[in-house]
This record gives sequence, C-alpha cells and structure tokens, in this order.
Amino acid sequence: DAGVIQSPRHEVTEMGQEVTLRCKPISGHNSLFWYRQTMMRGLELLIYFNNNVPIDDSGMPEDRFSAKMPNASFSTLKIQPSEPRDSAVYFCASRLGDRDVNQPQHFGDGTRLSIL
Amino acid sequence: QQPVQSPQAVILREGEDAVINCSSSKALYSVHWYRQKHGEAPVFLMILLKGGEQKGHDKISASFNEKKQQSSLYLTASQLSYSGTYFCGTDLTGTASKLTFGTGTRLQVTL
Repeated sequence: DAGVIQSPRHEVTEMGQEVTLRCKPISGHNSLFWYRQTMMRGLELLIYFNNNVPIDDSGMPEDRFSAKMPNASFSTLKIQPSEPRDSAVYFCASRLGDRDVNQPQHFGDGTRLSIL
Repeated sequence: QQPVQSPQAVILREGEDAVINCSSSKALYSVHWYRQKHGEAPVFLMILLKGGEQKGHDKISASFNEKKQQSSLYLTASQLSYSGTYFCGTDLTGTASKLTFGTGTRLQVTL
C-alpha cells in the first residue's frame, strides 16, 4: 500500500517567494497533520484536519502560513511570503479515525525547504 | 509543554541494552514512540495508553507510568538497525491527535 506522499521532496527558493507543499494521505485515512521539524524546536504540530475540516491551527506560526484540505486525498501548506527562518523539514502525516487512540500517525518522507 | 527525554544521546555496542525515558509535566492519556533515521520520516514503534501498560515487539518494549507522567523505551540486545533518533509523542487531550513530541534521543549502535 502507498504511504503518505509529499511533494516536492526538496525546495529551494528565495525569500519573499510563495511556497506550496503538497500531501496525499493514505487512502481511507481521515485525519491529516502538518508538522515542521528544526534542530532548535524539534518536531512541532502546525495544524491538523479531521474529515477535511481544520480542527486545530494553533501551531501555525504566522498569518504567512495557511493550509487547506479541499478533499480527502489532498492537502496543501502554503507560505507567502517565505522567509529564511521558515527553512525546515515539513512533514505530513495521516491517521485512520479521528478519535481512536490506538491508531498511529503515519508520516510522509517530508519536504526539505530552504529559503535563501 | 514539550516532554523531556533522557539521555540526549547514547552510544552502544551491538548486543547491549538501552533505556530511553520520556517525562511530562502534565497528565498524559497516551504516549507514542517513533524512531527516525537521518534524512527519513519518523516511523511508528508503539502506543501506550494510560493504565500503566507495558508493550513490546521483538526486542523493543516500553512502559507507561501515568502517575509519574513518564514512559520508558527499552531496547535489548541492540542491533545496528536500531540506530536513529527516538521520539516520544505525548497526548494531553485523549484524542491522540495533538501530539507534543519530545526533544529526541540519538542512539548509535556500533560493532
């Protein structure tokens, strides 16, 4: 079975540009999570969706960050305008069920983002 | 509040045992353990629910002491493939959705 698919795997862009990260969750999973990982702050939850609806976006650092989930098989995380401090690895994860505590989150391979 | 993991790093020879601890300042509903190899995604190991349970598969097991708000991961007879960074994710809400991940423990297994 295909896991969580993220694209692009690597992104290098200049400060001020718009960045769009994409995620396809595991088929049948109805919870989706966006994380950011840096050396300084570790793995941080940015936002998560249940059944395509954003539930908690308290981890989104600024208004420059936005996330959408237009359907059950696709989500985007957008940064506009991007800044060097946004450089990090961004992971998407998905999970079966929205309240089943026995179900783990499955992570994609991540997008390594570098803002110059 | 980010849980604290200890030790921060450990080096083992193949066949040796290790214990990784995860402590929270808040009450926990569950603890989720992951291993991440360099440049790769975190990979799920196991979930422990409140009730003081203990779980294990192969030579990796874990315990959860809800009164002490801490969990421990036990690696016995370590193998080279166990190398990586181990993270605990703590669930403060009971939904296992909003996980707060620990600082990580870097484990290196050598010959």
